[in-house]
Amino acid sequence: DTAVSQTPKYLVTQMGNDKSIKCEQNLGHDTMYWYKQDSKKFLKIMFSYNNKELIINETVPNRFSPKSPDKAHLNLHINSLELGDSAVYFCASSSTETQYFGPGTRLLVL
Amino acid sequence: EDQVTQSPEALRLQEGESSSLNCSYTVSGLRGLFWYRQDPGKGPEFLFTLYSAGEEKEKERLKATLTKKESFLHITAPKPEDSATYLCAVRGNQFYFGTGTSLTVIP
Repeated sequence: DTAVSQTPKYLVTQMGNDKSIKCEQNLGHDTMYWYKQDSKKFLKIMFSYNNKELIINETVPNRFSPKSPDKAHLNLHINSLELGDSAVYFCASSSTETQYFGPGTRLLVL
Repeated sequence: EDQVTQSPEALRLQEGESSSLNCSYTVSGLRGLFWYRQDPGKGPEFLFTLYSAGEEKEKERLKATLTKKESFLHITAPKPEDSATYLCAVRGNQFYFGTGTSLTVIP
């Protein structure tokens, strides 16, 4: 019974395509997040979202958009993929300040 | 500007050789300092949350401490299974992560 799950685990696609990554948490948490981890293992927050507020990191291109169908899900949509989008994307959730992370989605843009 | 700096970048220890990892931070209005462990190909795994200077938390061979400017993760008598990347993060207006310390424990 995985607490935070992501699909797919691996995603290989061509430049210019549109793709989505799904995230689900069964912890009953109110807030969910998306992070990008680059090749140097640096984790950078992209979005945080609860049912009241979406906070966007201002450095994130507007090609990236989070969509939350309900409290347990936060999906990440990426339009017009670029080579620089290649990275590992992590979903996380929290009820207090402590975050719990999913296993990651490894995105490779060719 | 809020930021987190971890040192050293990499650390190799003999099994049983105790050491400490450092996390220095500057943040406006600290709402928590977090330690995570990340194994290759996996997501960060939560270890500790510290909220105020002087606070300490322990779990098995790990002990985290916090001052107003930095946190230490002390590893006592490490074992090979402690090998991983240890990440520090702070919560101010946003979450900020350091780049981690890659720990290798040699049998």
